[in-house]
Amino acid sequence: QVQLQESGPGLVKPSQTLSLTCTVSGGSISSGGYYWSWIRQHPGKGLEWIGYIYNSGTTYYNPSLKSRLSTSIDTSKNQFSLKLSSVTAADTAVYYCARNNRSGWFDPWGQGTLVTVSS
Amino acid sequence: DIQMTQSPSSLSASVGDRVTITCRASQSISNYFSWYQHKPGKAPKLLIYAASSLQSGVPSRFSGSGSGTDFTLTISSLQPEDFGTYYCQQSFSTPFTFGPGTKVDI
Repeated sequence: QVQLQESGPGLVKPSQTLSLTCTVSGGSISSGGYYWSWIRQHPGKGLEWIGYIYNSGTTYYNPSLKSRLSTSIDTSKNQFSLKLSSVTAADTAVYYCARNNRSGWFDPWGQGTLVTVSS
Repeated sequence: DIQMTQSPSSLSASVGDRVTITCRASQSISNYFSWYQHKPGKAPKLLIYAASSLQSGVPSRFSGSGSGTDFTLTISSLQPEDFGTYYCQQSFSTPFTFGPGTKVDI
């Protein structure tokens, strides 16, 4: 079955750019009908949807992060990526990648990766 | 943005108990609604989609109901492996939003 795995630095300095990659296995990221999302969870808090990218490169971002966010997709590597610029301590969170369909439910999810913003 | 609220925020129950968690949306979302189970250090798991459809592989003791603004997740007979935090989510409109979670202790 499809599995997702996040990777990237666990520590980012304030004002720098947070970069994460999600590797998809067990299925093609080019499969029609699926969107590839990023979701985060601040320590002790709930879940916040960051945005998604489609295999065509079409994106939709949460307006709260849109000005600092960019995502990309590499179908040859079956990966998609997130870049969040000008990070602050408020961006410290566990970041998850997930697949969603057109109806918007997320399945499956990656295990998540903790990113800490600190000098 | 559509706001999601859940109640209770936490509960403690015994094995075999019937457990009910409710979620309310700030506006009608039809059945663009799902439930997730999240255990520490693990990937969140989709339990229910389209408000009442059981995801493949999820035990039948889990069920969902509701439409519009009010939704319910029921665990008919709580099992030890059901501990964790349960989140609701709306996908009626972007940005997709989640409820604050309900922590279930056994």
